[in-house]
Amino acid sequence: KQEVTQIPAALSVPEGENLVLNCSFTDSAIYNLQWFRQDPGKGLTSLLLIQSSQREQTSGRLNASLDKSSGRSTLYIAASQPGDSATYLCAVRQSGGYQKVTFGTGTKLQVIP
Amino acid sequence: GAVVSQHPSWVICKSGTSVKIECRSLDFQATTMFWYRQFPKQSLMLMATSNEGSKATYEQGVEKDKFLINHASLTLSTLTVTSAHPEDSSFYICSARTGGPGYTFGSGTRLTVV
Repeated sequence: KQEVTQIPAALSVPEGENLVLNCSFTDSAIYNLQWFRQDPGKGLTSLLLIQSSQREQTSGRLNASLDKSSGRSTLYIAASQPGDSATYLCAVRQSGGYQKVTFGTGTKLQVIP
Repeated sequence: GAVVSQHPSWVICKSGTSVKIECRSLDFQATTMFWYRQFPKQSLMLMATSNEGSKATYEQGVEKDKFLINHASLTLSTLTVTSAHPEDSSFYICSARTGGPGYTFGSGTRLTVV
């Protein structure tokens, strides 16, 4: 059974700092990995999707890396802003079968002005 | 891009009543739909996987008789919470495979049972 863990569970940083969120998964037989943000009481916003054959993806101030063999992914946020405050979730899609998606435990980020 | 429309976005119901949540794929055919539940301050947990025209596959610990899933067409999947109780209060969200590498999510439904 796939288990996805995110560290840290919560993070508070001053505005402008660069930060790294971590995601680890136990089963490396994945199809892809996706990072989302979730604002309080809202749905999910997709940030980056990395295919299993890729090492990283970039979008603006965000960079996500994937090391499938070690079961790890990181989300790097450069020059953090108060608007980045949200909960960040990684989600792993299995290869094969129904390609079930397992979500991580989440990291709650607060960027202080 | 692929869009999944989920309704209602929020609902309050009395204990013992049933609530139906709908997810429609607007511009693509969703042969497979996933249903998730999120309790406060927790991550999303997969409840079940539904395939068009067949019975849903439920995750361990999810009561299939309580959470009825119907996927009768390629563009519509429904989740019915039967005889809802306060402990069923949660955020429910659906997701569909778009045929490519990604999948798209509905906007979610916040259910409050009083």
